[in-house]
Amino acid sequence: GDSVTQMEGPVTLSEEAFLTINCTYTATGYPSLFWYVQYPGEGLQLLLKATKADDKGSNKGFEATYRKETTSFHLEKGSVQVSDSAVYFCASGRDDKIIFGKGTRLHILP
Amino acid sequence: GAGVSQSPSNKVTEKGKDVELRCDPISGHTALYWYRQSLGQGLEFLIYFQGNSAPDKSGLPSDRFSAERTGGSVSTLTIQRTQQEDSAVYLCASSFGQGGYGYTFGSGTRLTVV
Repeated sequence: GDSVTQMEGPVTLSEEAFLTINCTYTATGYPSLFWYVQYPGEGLQLLLKATKADDKGSNKGFEATYRKETTSFHLEKGSVQVSDSAVYFCASGRDDKIIFGKGTRLHILP
Repeated sequence: GAGVSQSPSNKVTEKGKDVELRCDPISGHTALYWYRQSLGQGLEFLIYFQGNSAPDKSGLPSDRFSAERTGGSVSTLTIQRTQQEDSAVYLCASSFGQGGYGYTFGSGTRLTVV
């Protein structure tokens, strides 16, 4: 069945560092791919998405590119801020369901 | 409404009691999902409703858990005879019914069983 694997956390970085959170997926066909973010004490919010190969999703300085050849959707940000501290979930969706990864907790130190 | 609304936001209950959690999805969203998030864990799928079709109950952990969706809108998740391991945040999400659109999540109900 479909699955999503993302790097385990926690990931701790200093402010203004470069961020990469790896995510790979397995699926038959071509799912849509998502990154969701959960800030402390809040629900999950859609951060960005891509619906087909080579699409790049972007929002709030975060980017991820749909790589069919490597079945990946790595999340990147060039310069993180303390306010980016949260849990990030990679997800794959098609038909009527979305499959979530286990989440990666990100801590940004001032 | 503008977003997915869940109530209550927090619930503390005694072991053995029944609880009901409510979800009011975005108007027009045909699909509704319940997930459970335990401390430090990912998202555990519980149940999925799509329009008038029979729900997908494949994620319910035991027969103490049940859910219904009335009139294709509001949903209630019921946990009978609660146990301490039921303590978690219960998240509801709604969508247009196709995975490619993504979900909109509510803020969740934090359930604590003491």
